[in-house]
Amino acid sequence: DVKVTQSSRYLVKRTGEKVFLECVQDMDHENMFWYRQDPGLGLRLIYFSYDVKMKEKGDIPEGYSVSREKKERFSLILESASTNQTSMYLCASREGGPNEQFFGPGTRLTVL
Amino acid sequence: DQQVKQNSPSLSVQEGRISILNCDYTNSMFDYFLWYKKYPAEGPTFLISISSIKDKNEDGRFTVFLNKSAKHLSLHIVPSQPGDSAVYFCAALTTSGTYKYIFGTGTRLKVLA
Repeated sequence: DVKVTQSSRYLVKRTGEKVFLECVQDMDHENMFWYRQDPGLGLRLIYFSYDVKMKEKGDIPEGYSVSREKKERFSLILESASTNQTSMYLCASREGGPNEQFFGPGTRLTVL
Repeated sequence: DQQVKQNSPSLSVQEGRISILNCDYTNSMFDYFLWYKKYPAEGPTFLISISSIKDKNEDGRFTVFLNKSAKHLSLHIVPSQPGDSAVYFCAALTTSGTYKYIFGTGTRLKVLA
């Protein structure tokens, strides 16, 4: 079974702090994704990566950056956290093509 | 611009009855659709998918119907069970593009025992 793990389930940070969210998948998937889930807005794509060191902006990349130095690991970085980045962050991975995405358990981030 | 819409934020159904969750899309280039189920404090899990060359796909209690002319898909759960209580997301993509999935806003299903 594919396993996608995220470094933290719950995180509380202060406004202005730099925040790292890590995601690791164990199935050698090419594609990895970062979403945020907010009530009434569904899942919105922040960034995705289709290969090591490759990244593409999703629908809401502002205030975020990403890093993919190894195939299995995809990091989301909040350079200077703000209260409007309080959300549930979900990482996913997928093989190439129109296949199902496998999601991690999510990180509930609260920015105070 | 919401390309994938789930207009019912919530739905309550009696155990044993049919649950019907709906999803509408606007982009006629979408040609592959999926349904995901999400429990609180967990990531979404894949449920069922359908390609635009089909109009129906069945997997056990779950059936997805696709009406391309109406740009509408629906998920039927029969019979509904209390364990089906979750948030359901539909997702769509264009297989000729970057395989970027567009998710709907979700419908919270509550199955009453």
